Amino acid sequence: RKEVEQDPGPFNVPEGATVAFNCTYSNSASQSFFWYRQDCRKEPKLLMSVYSSGNEDGRFTAQLNRASQYISLLIRDSKLSDSATYLCVVTANSGYSTLTFGKGTMLLVSP
Amino acid sequence: GAGVSQSPSNKVTEKGKDVELRCDPISGHTALYWYRQSLGQGLEFLIYFQGNSAPDKSGLPSDRFSAERTGGSVSTLTIQRTQQEDSAVYLCASSFGGYNEQFFGPGTRLTVL
Repeated sequence: RKEVEQDPGPFNVPEGATVAFNCTYSNSASQSFFWYRQDCRKEPKLLMSVYSSGNEDGRFTAQLNRASQYISLLIRDSKLSDSATYLCVVTANSGYSTLTFGKGTMLLVSP
Repeated sequence: GAGVSQSPSNKVTEKGKDVELRCDPISGHTALYWYRQSLGQGLEFLIYFQGNSAPDKSGLPSDRFSAERTGGSVSTLTIQRTQQEDSAVYLCASSFGGYNEQFFGPGTRLTVL
């Protein structure tokens, strides 16, 4: 059973489009949730944390549904520079931040 | 300030050889993590350090893998008798500990021939 599941994509969208990714997690004890971004052949970088109340950072909105154990990321007004792989990340209730990564969803934004 | 650094950036070795991978975390970060990422796969947790101790080694795939951290800073991941399936990008991350953001280094791309 996969701990964190994501649709691998790729999602091909034109510039300016709105795109949404979902992610499901299996560990109901998970405490913290994140979206990381990974560019091709680069290291992952934190995009945003995901809070229970939902949170927004510019064109990016993240939401958490604990009852259904999924988190989402919405990107509005897509830019070419948004092309990357988006990793859904959760932590277990283990007293420290061991991250469990999904395999990522690839986004390709075209002109 | 300086981010997490790793060396070497690329390592090509022959099957059966030992390799050492180095990670220099961000100064002041008490927590250090090793992950690996195989081609087209997600990140796989290997080991976690808090200070110089490793409370969680559960991700190390076999006893050929070991890691240490000295002075609460630099960490070395050692792979003995490398196998072709060890080929991957090995990523190191550090944080202030707890549930804080982890900052990743650029990784070491290991190729075992």
